[in-house]
Amino acid sequence: GAGVSQSPSNKVTEKGKDVELRCDPISGHTALYWYRQSLGQGLEFLIYFQGNSAPDKSGLPSDRFSAERTGGSVSTLTIQRTQQEDSAVYLCASSLSRGSNEKLFFGSGTQLSVL
Amino acid sequence: GNSVTQMEGPVTLSEEAFLTINCTYTATGYPSLFWYVQYPGEGLQLLLKATKADDKGSNKGFEATYRKETTSFHLEKGSVQVSDSAVYFCALSPKSNYQLIWGAGTKLIIKP
Repeated sequence: GAGVSQSPSNKVTEKGKDVELRCDPISGHTALYWYRQSLGQGLEFLIYFQGNSAPDKSGLPSDRFSAERTGGSVSTLTIQRTQQEDSAVYLCASSLSRGSNEKLFFGSGTQLSVL
Repeated sequence: GNSVTQMEGPVTLSEEAFLTINCTYTATGYPSLFWYVQYPGEGLQLLLKATKADDKGSNKGFEATYRKETTSFHLEKGSVQVSDSAVYFCALSPKSNYQLIWGAGTKLIIKP
């Protein structure tokens, strides 16, 4: 596609329910990142995928969070038993390859609200 | 550790005013430095970057110079427009890995 696509754009859920957030990166981009943006805060790194390598999960805040990337393309971030503190904008980004100077392309994010 | 500190917002200016958004960093070694911008309703996008000391990144009339001696990467624009209203994020990337370390963002409001 032309850009990074995320769905849904907004998700309202009840505390304790599971949610799935989807990211469709730019075609050909091997690197994919998930970030969380809380109100008034900078971006918080969650997880990183690079090609077929094992993902870097070091940023996931708890074992309720998991992510997978199928076929090196679409990624799904799953939050189980959601809590109110999970409310945030979840951003996905992709880049051509791993590298500190690679330009990241961001999706518009999923606004998650846990009631 | 690595960290980025940028000035708190919101910053409110009149059109054609001079803009400075301060950004300072703490890092080991020589990181790459970035400014990203998030326009209302849009995704974050790279505005400019600098990869070594004394480099100047520039784009859309914005500039930032990588100052190793003051560990700063302040964003400047000589004459802002209403369309520049957005949230601006300063970030660094250690050359040793792929992660970006982000500042908290500065909301800029330009009034006509």
